[in-house]
Amino acid sequence: EAGVTQFPSHSVIEKGQTVTLRCDPISGHDNLYWYRRVMGKEIKFLLHFVKESKQDESGMPNNRFLAERTGGTYSTLKVQPAELEDSGVYFCASSQGLAGGFPQFFGPGTRLTVL
Amino acid sequence: KNQVEQSPQSLIILEGKNCTLQCNYTVSPFSNLRWYKQDTGRGPVSLTIMTFSENTKSNGRYTATLDADTKQSSLHITASQLSDSASYICVVRRETSYDKVIFGPGTSLSVIP
Repeated sequence: EAGVTQFPSHSVIEKGQTVTLRCDPISGHDNLYWYRRVMGKEIKFLLHFVKESKQDESGMPNNRFLAERTGGTYSTLKVQPAELEDSGVYFCASSQGLAGGFPQFFGPGTRLTVL
Repeated sequence: KNQVEQSPQSLIILEGKNCTLQCNYTVSPFSNLRWYKQDTGRGPVSLTIMTFSENTKSNGRYTATLDADTKQSSLHITASQLSDSASYICVVRRETSYDKVIFGPGTSLSVIP
């Protein structure tokens, strides 16, 4: 069974540019989460989809971040325009059911560097 | 303030030795707690989940404990192997209307031959 996959693995962009990160959850998983780890800090929650609906987006830092999950399958996270402080590793995770409220399976992450 | 703290920040041990990692939390109301292992360049992998009523749970060479009264958890690794080198992250879930998980900063473990 394929795990959670993320694309790209690395992205280097200049401040002011736009970047779109993609996450493909494990097939059949209704719950999809986005997290990020800024350098030197702990992983923090961004948002949670249940199928195509945003269950909780309280962790999104500001309106430069837009997440979508059309059709309830893969998800994208767009940062527009990117700022220096957006640099970090963005993780996607998925779960079948609520799994005790935790994401069960994480992707390898996308390392974003904003110059 | 809901926080998760871990100690030590980093640890180096010899292969074959045991070690214990600590997690203290101030998350309230508490729901449950998970330990994850994160290898370099990879996403976290769940090792064990502890609910409020559980004190000890084992998964192979990993044993997690939970003291909900003192709000402390530990992860004990027995007979360490080189492949145990990774970051170990304690994550606590709040009992709220939404799923709220709070990550600790992690303990970086290096097992050397």
